[in-house]
Amino acid sequence: GQQVKQSSPSLTVQEGGISILNCDYENDMFDYFAWYKKYPDNSPTLLISVRSNVDKREDGRLTVFLNKSGKHFSLHITASQPEDTAVYLCARNQGGSAKLIFGEGTKLTVSS
Amino acid sequence: GPKVLQIPSHQIIDMGQMVTLNCDPVSNHLYFYWYKQILGQQMEFLVNFYNGKVMEKSKLFKDQFSVERPDGSYFTLKIQPTALEDSAVYFCASSLGTISNERLFFGHGTKLSVL
Repeated sequence: GQQVKQSSPSLTVQEGGISILNCDYENDMFDYFAWYKKYPDNSPTLLISVRSNVDKREDGRLTVFLNKSGKHFSLHITASQPEDTAVYLCARNQGGSAKLIFGEGTKLTVSS
Repeated sequence: GPKVLQIPSHQIIDMGQMVTLNCDPVSNHLYFYWYKQILGQQMEFLVNFYNGKVMEKSKLFKDQFSVERPDGSYFTLKIQPTALEDSAVYFCASSLGTISNERLFFGHGTKLSVL
């Protein structure tokens, strides 16, 4: 069964705006959360990751927020640029497992 | 940066034939993975391979599937015999350590079309 969900298949943001990508999960046992970026016909690339013992992590224009009580995590991209246009995949892992569980992806389009 | 190479990028075969998908992982990595993505669906974990053994596999990793990495060469996924539902993009990945400690590096994927 599906354990994680990205409810928005697509999102369009104006250049310079904030892109907010969301992911919901069901299993309380996840302790590693990540966001991957994928261009068409290219490989998924890790953008940023957090462990469950933190609520927030920033890296440049990227911020991940983890809401454990709501079983929700999000990626905020500030000052969005056209080159941010891609598919964003959320992913989760439970400690001790080799399995990364991916969401369906959200296609972000940043328009200039 | 480090790259995972997958050969070929696209393979077309007839149902019932055998197919081998090849992956050249990052040279010093120790953990290897295959993921499957059916068109329009999410990427799903198939198998994890470490120290010459399958460590973990999902229910998608059918009996017709096998993986190996003979003598540190290509990490391969073999499907024998293939079925129509095996049509998908197969992504290989590798990591230096376990997922929660080390990032995964993915290849560009091999699109498998079973006719």
